[in-house]
Amino acid sequence: NAGVIQTPRHKVTGKGQEATLWCEPISGHSAVFWYRQTIVQGLEFLTYFRNQAPIDDSGMPKERFSAQMPNQSHSTLKIQSTQPQDSAVYLCASSLGQGSNSDYTFGSGTRLLVI
Amino acid sequence: SQWGEENLQALSIQEGEDVTMNCSYKTYTTVVQWYRQKSGKGPALIILIRSNEREKRSGRLRATLDTSSQSSSLSITGTLATDTAVYFCAPYQGGRALIFGTGTTVSVSP
Repeated sequence: NAGVIQTPRHKVTGKGQEATLWCEPISGHSAVFWYRQTIVQGLEFLTYFRNQAPIDDSGMPKERFSAQMPNQSHSTLKIQSTQPQDSAVYLCASSLGQGSNSDYTFGSGTRLLVI
Repeated sequence: SQWGEENLQALSIQEGEDVTMNCSYKTYTTVVQWYRQKSGKGPALIILIRSNEREKRSGRLRATLDTSSQSSSLSITGTLATDTAVYFCAPYQGGRALIFGTGTTVSVSP
């Protein structure tokens, strides 16, 4: 079990460019989550999918950010027209379900730097 | 606003000392998960406590949960340098995604 796989580990983009981050959840896990982590804001929830369907995107900035889960083996987070304030570590997690016993398995994250 | 707020942001201690960190949360829950995040890695679950347990132990870890005050604590006894990490509490909120907050940074010096 390789765990949750996130690629790339590091990404540097120029201001205004697009960034796509990839996540491969653990096989058999029905829920996939995206978080953003910065020193100031901590670990912020962005969005999540259950059985590939979008369930809650309340944490997503309304403009420029979008997430998809085209199949059960991967999810993408896309940031259009990146800005320096988008610089952060983006973490993906998956869980077997959403019950009180369900813990999250996180990937190691993608460190995005917008210059 | 965050569901779970760790009360102390950063702690620096020597190896062998004990440490306790607290978490208060805004909405009633019956389950709190504690996660540990080491440098360069994602958070990982270290202990889960339910309201009917009041206290839960796992090795050198001890968690408590007080539903009346909507708070939880995590203690580590006999800390090691390898306990250096950021610790998050995450109260269960039904089908909603876990909310983690800013965490407590614990630095253990050898």
